[in-house]
Amino acid sequence: EVQLVESGGGLVKPGGSLRLSCASSGFPFSDGWMSWVRQTPGKGLEWLGRIRPGGATEYAAPVKGRFTISREDSYNTLYLQMNSLKTEDTAVYYCTTARGVVAQAASFDIWGQGTMVTVSS
Amino acid sequence: QSALTQPPSASGSPGQSVTISCTVTSSDVSFYNYVSWYQHHPGKAPKLMIYGVSRRPSGVPDRFSGSKSGNTASLTVSGLQAEDEADYYCSSYAGSNNFWVFGGGTKLTVL
Repeated sequence: EVQLVESGGGLVKPGGSLRLSCASSGFPFSDGWMSWVRQTPGKGLEWLGRIRPGGATEYAAPVKGRFTISREDSYNTLYLQMNSLKTEDTAVYYCTTARGVVAQAASFDIWGQGTMVTVSS
Repeated sequence: QSALTQPPSASGSPGQSVTISCTVTSSDVSFYNYVSWYQHHPGKAPKLMIYGVSRRPSGVPDRFSGSKSGNTASLTVSGLQAEDEADYYCSSYAGSNNFWVFGGGTKLTVL
């Protein structure tokens, strides 16, 4: 079964750090272009960044310089290191990817169920 | 403010059809052929319903269809069923500056 499972969310104070993990199974993780997307309370979805096979990364402006995406292919795991957290980073964080023609169409067909991050004093 | 604008809500009775629109509101974004639609039940993983403007992934009922005209994309759900009640988000790849943008979401209520 193709699956992504996020973990590592929780409560953190403003200015703090947190590292999220995303464990994958059922597909060749090392070939995957992996992204992080978040949903803030009462708002929509927001793409945060992605990592290509081999490790090159790209980020959305709101998180560039604060968030770092990495991968450990030997463990089929994706990471999101979040530093200098702000209250507006409070959200459910999802990892996601795509396969085949869906990937070519720049969509995402595999999603985890998300992990909640709350930034509050 | 999202680069893609959706109505906050839509509704219809079982068996009816409902159409949700998604309009580009940012000059930095063009749809090209990269419009997607996602269904999201709270607490669950988002689910891809439409990609490439009008293509359905395997397993998505043909009651769901997508289209695009100019700067507005649309998702139509025909033969509404109770399980279609969810939040729906449009999305588009916006190039190497903005990457992916999403609409603010539309809450679909089946009356």
